[in-house]
Amino acid sequence: QQQVKQSPQSLIVQKGGISIINCAYENTAFDYFPWYQQFPGKGPALLIAIRPDVSEKKEGRFTISFNKSAKQFSLHIMDSQPGDSATYFCAASLGTGRRALTFGSGTRLQVQP
Amino acid sequence: GAVVSQHPSRVICKSGTSVKIECRSLDFQATTMFWYRQFPKQSLMLMATSNEGSKATYEQGVEKDKFLINHASLTLSTLTVTSAHPEDSSFYICSARAYLFLRDSSSQETQYFGPGTRLLVL
Repeated sequence: QQQVKQSPQSLIVQKGGISIINCAYENTAFDYFPWYQQFPGKGPALLIAIRPDVSEKKEGRFTISFNKSAKQFSLHIMDSQPGDSATYFCAASLGTGRRALTFGSGTRLQVQP
Repeated sequence: GAVVSQHPSRVICKSGTSVKIECRSLDFQATTMFWYRQFPKQSLMLMATSNEGSKATYEQGVEKDKFLINHASLTLSTLTVTSAHPEDSSFYICSARAYLFLRDSSSQETQYFGPGTRLLVL
């Protein structure tokens, strides 16, 4: 059972555009939702995270929107740059981050110059 | 953010040999570390949770006798792939639980990942 569903699988965006990646979760007990960025051959790097008591969180060009009733959350990358080209994973966890992460399937983002 | 290292970064071994992968938290102590496995172009799958001073907790379907985990100190966890076979070839990534201090002065426990270890079994 896939507990965190991520879409799209791949995304092509022009430089300066907005990249949007969506995730939906099933377990209502999840209470911590991070996003990770991964470059080929490297480990995932934490980008931004949100807890369900907040509907939106912004850090620089990255924004998480969270819809608790719909059990959905999304990552918005504003002013996308070629350097943002990577694979992005959403994840969810129990115990406000203390427990292991359940990852989405990943989105390969390509930002064209 | 907190730094987690892994060693080696890549290893090639013959079938039947054992390989040890080290995961270190460099600037913080981690009572809990996690081991994940990632196949090409796929997501990360949790293998086991490693707690300092106690036995690891393995996920369903992960053979504990094949993937030996030792968390002997607050900064080091090791994963040993015993009697490796070609199907064990994968990207192994560890993470360590640490506090992330936020702008509002609150803190949030999160996970920082190591750079991964590419294992190729011939």
